[in-house]
Amino acid sequence: DIQMTQSPSTLSASVGDRVTITCRASQSISSWLAWYQQKPGKAPKLLIYDASTLESGVPSRFSGSGSGTEFTLTISSLQPDDFATYYCQQYDSYSQTFGQGTKLEIK
Amino acid sequence: QVQLVESGGGVVQPGGSLRLSCVASGFIFRSYVMHWVRQAPGKGLEWVAFISHDGSNKYYADSVKGRFTISRDKSKSTLYLQMNSLRAEDTAVYYCARDHFCDFWGQGTLVTVSS
Repeated sequence: DIQMTQSPSTLSASVGDRVTITCRASQSISSWLAWYQQKPGKAPKLLIYDASTLESGVPSRFSGSGSGTEFTLTISSLQPDDFATYYCQQYDSYSQTFGQGTKLEIK
Repeated sequence: QVQLVESGGGVVQPGGSLRLSCVASGFIFRSYVMHWVRQAPGKGLEWVAFISHDGSNKYYADSVKGRFTISRDKSKSTLYLQMNSLRAEDTAVYYCARDHFCDFWGQGTLVTVSS
């Protein structure tokens, strides 16, 4: 199975900061990667798919990049609503896998 | 609008069975692959099972293989997850999700396996 490793596990930042979360795959997944945001007690929300395509309705401060085994999610200027947990997910294989999550906290 | 509504969760004893349902609306159900994803209390997301748009292909996480069965009924626009031989570690909120990259999710249904 393909393993997904996110870093960092926790990130402390302030409103207005630029932050980057990294996701590494144990083997090449081309661009078959999605990013999700999850808030406590809620279902995950799709932010980005195919590594860099912004889902409709998602603010443009979110962006994704990468291919193969290295991927990043960047938030250009943090807003109060962005403090949440973020997950990457590979869908290169039918046995999909998620990263362990990155909790974005207010500094 | 797209909606996915799960049901069927509850408390079950170890070794017991449960069937979850996910009713889809607002889109052409038969055209989309579907997934079940779960989240144990305080933990991350774990993919559980996949079914192709026509039900001909099914894949499972190793942790549930041989115990869980995913299925779908196009006439009812409903996705199912039959869960047998349940264990304490199956305790989680179970979500259904649409498409390869899970663009829509249900609200989740809680399954608690406890004696």
